[in-house]
Amino acid sequence: GAVVSQHPSRVICKSGTSVKIECRSLDFQATTMFWYRQFPKQSLMLMATSNEGSKATYEQGVEKDKFLINHASLTLSTLTVTSAHPEDSSFYICSASPDVTDTQYFGPGTRLTVL
Amino acid sequence: DAKTTQPPSMDCAEGRAANLPCNHSTISGNEYVYWYRQIHSQGPQYIIHGLKNNETNEMASLIITEDRKSSTLILPHATLRDTAVYYCIVRVGGGNAGNMLTFGGGTRLMVKP
Repeated sequence: GAVVSQHPSRVICKSGTSVKIECRSLDFQATTMFWYRQFPKQSLMLMATSNEGSKATYEQGVEKDKFLINHASLTLSTLTVTSAHPEDSSFYICSASPDVTDTQYFGPGTRLTVL
Repeated sequence: DAKTTQPPSMDCAEGRAANLPCNHSTISGNEYVYWYRQIHSQGPQYIIHGLKNNETNEMASLIITEDRKSSTLILPHATLRDTAVYYCIVRVGGGNAGNMLTFGGGTRLMVKP
């Protein structure tokens, strides 16, 4: 149980385009999901907290207009990288907790490459 | 959340026990100790967590000192597949699924044949 999926696993796009990444909790409901970013040889950095039915909470330094988060249901959160630039190339990872526990489970990650 | 300190890297022989230490001297009474690991190019994998009692599951054992200022993750029989970065994180528990995780540098465990 407690499986989190992400789609796509890998995406390559041209500079200036937008990319949508989906995060799904497959066997549980999650009121809250989290989005992290990881640059090569660095640790995970929290970008934002995604709340079902309300606006996301962004960490300091993360542009909310560039990284659009939508949490439309209890099993799906999406992250859209708008007007992507090469510096947005990174490994994006989501996580979620079943509402009745504290343990966060992570998706497999999405590798974004912006050319 | 309290900060943790871990050695940046460790080696372990295949088949032997891997003991990964973590210091969390400023841990609060309501903070749990969580361990995750990240294999290259994958999302972090939950391993185990505990509050003050030692815990064991099919993956590992977690030993927490009586004063809760440090802990050790034990992989009883390390295999090559256990090569990964291991993160020790302290986090407020209590049933609040909205509490985020703060990742430090972790320990890069290299299991060698």
